Amino acid sequence: DAKTTQPNSMESNEEEPVHLPCNHSTISGTDYIHWYRQLPSQGPEYVIHGLTSNVNNRMASLAIAEDRKSSTLILHRATLRDAAVYYCILRDGGATNKLIFGTGTLLAVQP
Amino acid sequence: DAGVTQSPTHLIKTRGQHVTLRCSPISGHKSVSWYQQVLGQGPQFIFQYYEKEERGRGNFPDRFSARQFPNYSSELNVNALLLGDSALYLCASSYNRGWFSNEQFFGPGTRLTVL
Repeated sequence: DAKTTQPNSMESNEEEPVHLPCNHSTISGTDYIHWYRQLPSQGPEYVIHGLTSNVNNRMASLAIAEDRKSSTLILHRATLRDAAVYYCILRDGGATNKLIFGTGTLLAVQP
Repeated sequence: DAGVTQSPTHLIKTRGQHVTLRCSPISGHKSVSWYQQVLGQGPQFIFQYYEKEERGRGNFPDRFSARQFPNYSSELNVNALLLGDSALYLCASSYNRGWFSNEQFFGPGTRLTVL
C-alpha cells in the first residue's frame, strides 16, 4: 500500500487561505488521492478526491502535481470550524473501499 | 436524511469478554466498512462488506468478525477482549465499492473501553 507524508501540525488565521501539503512519492497510476478531515469527537468526513487534474468543490480545492508525487489541499478561507485533523489518503481503484489513514495534519485556526 | 448511525455510543467491558457493535448505513448504501481508531492515531481498516459478502479484511486477528444483514446494516464482533482493543470503532458506508466508490460516510463511532 502506497504511503503519504504530511506535516504533523499547521496553524492558520481565520479568513486566510490554508495550504495543506501531502507527499506521496510511491503513488501508482491507479491510486486516487483522497482527503478526509476529522473534527474533534466526530468520525472522519470526506473533503475531496482526484486522480490527475486539479479539483474544486464547495469545501476545498485539490492541486495535484504534474508527476502526482505530491498534492495540496487548499481551504480558501479558513474558519474556526475548519480546525480538524486532515488526512491525505491514497486509495487504489481495486475491489475494496479500504482507506489507509496516516496520522494526518492537525490544523489549528486562530481567530 | 439520517446519516450513518452506530450503537452503542459508549461501552465498557472487561478483559476476556465479548462485544457486539452495530451500524446502520445511509439508506440505499450497500457497502459498510469498519475501522478501529486508537487514541492519537488515524483509523485502521478492519473489514468491508458489500451486498452481504466480505470484500476486504485488514490486518486484525480472528477475534474480530463481522457480518452484514439483508437490510445492509452490519455488526462487528470482538471476542476475548484485550486491553489493546480499547478504541473508537468507526463504521463507514457508501453506495458502491472499488472503482465506483468515491465518498464514504462515517458514523460518530462507538467508544469501547476494556478494563
